[in-house]
Amino acid sequence: AQKVTQAQTEISVVEKEDVTLDCVYETRDTTYYLFWYKQPPSGELVFLIRRNSFDEQNEISGRYSWNFQKSTSSFNFTITASQVVDSAVYFCALQTSGGSNYKLTFGKGTLLTVNP
Amino acid sequence: DTGVSQDPRHKITKRGQNVTFRCDPISEHNRLYWYRQTLGQGPEFLTYFQNEAQLEKSRLLSDRFSAERPKGSFSTLEIQRTEQGDSAMYLCASSFTLLGLAGVGDEQFFGPGTRLTVL
Repeated sequence: AQKVTQAQTEISVVEKEDVTLDCVYETRDTTYYLFWYKQPPSGELVFLIRRNSFDEQNEISGRYSWNFQKSTSSFNFTITASQVVDSAVYFCALQTSGGSNYKLTFGKGTLLTVNP
Repeated sequence: DTGVSQDPRHKITKRGQNVTFRCDPISEHNRLYWYRQTLGQGPEFLTYFQNEAQLEKSRLLSDRFSAERPKGSFSTLEIQRTEQGDSAMYLCASSFTLLGLAGVGDEQFFGPGTRLTVL
């Protein structure tokens, strides 16, 4: 079975601070993808980043960066120089190659509030 | 707008009534998914279509729920004899997967959701 845990329920920061959102996943499959989605108050899930299990290279894309470590089954997401518009619920999700390889398994989400 | 659209955006109904939601995926997408999201939780998978074929249903999808995707285009999700526990946001997503491939890693594009309140 697959499981995604986002231990941080809520995070509050002041604008321009860096913030890291934690994600820990569980799967027995060796081939899988990890995603981060953003859900603003409007409700629509917006895709942010994707990583496959064979590529542990960490990257930076604009103000977003992620740290994928298979040894600890973690896929953390960092927003640099946060802005008020970053306020949203952020979901980490897992998709595996075995069994139900089409569905996304989501964590419970982290509510990020960026204060001016 | 060429994104995923859902109708209605909000639905309030009384317990015991039937409701139907519609999802229009991105036009060239061959896969369509339904998820349910309750307050404070992440979305949970309900069912999925490859073109017009419904290939998988979650145990969350009781026999009061039925989904269709005629002609592999739009999809409908019907809930019969609604219960208060059905109150949730119902999300639709679509993706494009090349035939013969599993589709793992394909980005799923989500619609704005239909928020159902059962009184």
